[in-house]
Amino acid sequence: EIVLTQSPGTLSLSPGERATLSCRASQSISSNLVWYQQKPGQAPRLLIYGASSRATGIPDRFSGSGSGTDFTLTINRLEPEDFAVYYCQQCGSSPPTFGQGTKVEIK
Amino acid sequence: EVQLVESGGGLVQPGGSLRLSCAASGFTFSNYWMHWVRQAPGKGLVWVSRISNDGSNTNYADSVKGRFTISRDNAKTTLYLQMNSLRAEDTAVYYCAKYKVDSSGYSRFDYWGQGTLVTVSS
Repeated sequence: EIVLTQSPGTLSLSPGERATLSCRASQSISSNLVWYQQKPGQAPRLLIYGASSRATGIPDRFSGSGSGTDFTLTINRLEPEDFAVYYCQQCGSSPPTFGQGTKVEIK
Repeated sequence: EVQLVESGGGLVQPGGSLRLSCAASGFTFSNYWMHWVRQAPGKGLVWVSRISNDGSNTNYADSVKGRFTISRDNAKTTLYLQMNSLRAEDTAVYYCAKYKVDSSGYSRFDYWGQGTLVTVSS
């Protein structure tokens, strides 16, 4: 099973700042890495797939990068609605696995 | 518009059973693999099970193997999760999710239901 480790656990930032979230895989997953956003009481929402492709309707302030074992989600100019928990996931290898999440909170 | 609507959650005693449903619409259900993912209160996302588009192939997380059964009815465009021998640690919101793989081989859960809460407690 591929283990995904996200860091930091919590990121405290102000609106307008840049958020940089990390996800590290226990073995190479090429570029088959996904990012989701989850707000309290809501289902996860697909943000990024293939490590760097934005899903439909996702603003361009969200960007993903990386390949192999190290991946990054960057959120430029944080908007109030971006404060949430972010999960990385790999589902190219069985079983699909998620990171433990990074909470982006208002400073 | 793609919609996934779960139902069937509730309070059940340890050792009991529950069947979750996920009604799908807005896409050709029979073309897609489907998954169940759960989230314990205040915790992260955990994959539970998946089923192939025609129902012939199923897989489970070790934690539910032998107790949970995933199935689907393509005529009714509905996904199911039969949960038996429930334990306190099965308490979670259960989400169904549509699985997509594109021509580049990149996979993701592109749509999720709103979730249904299962509480296992005496």
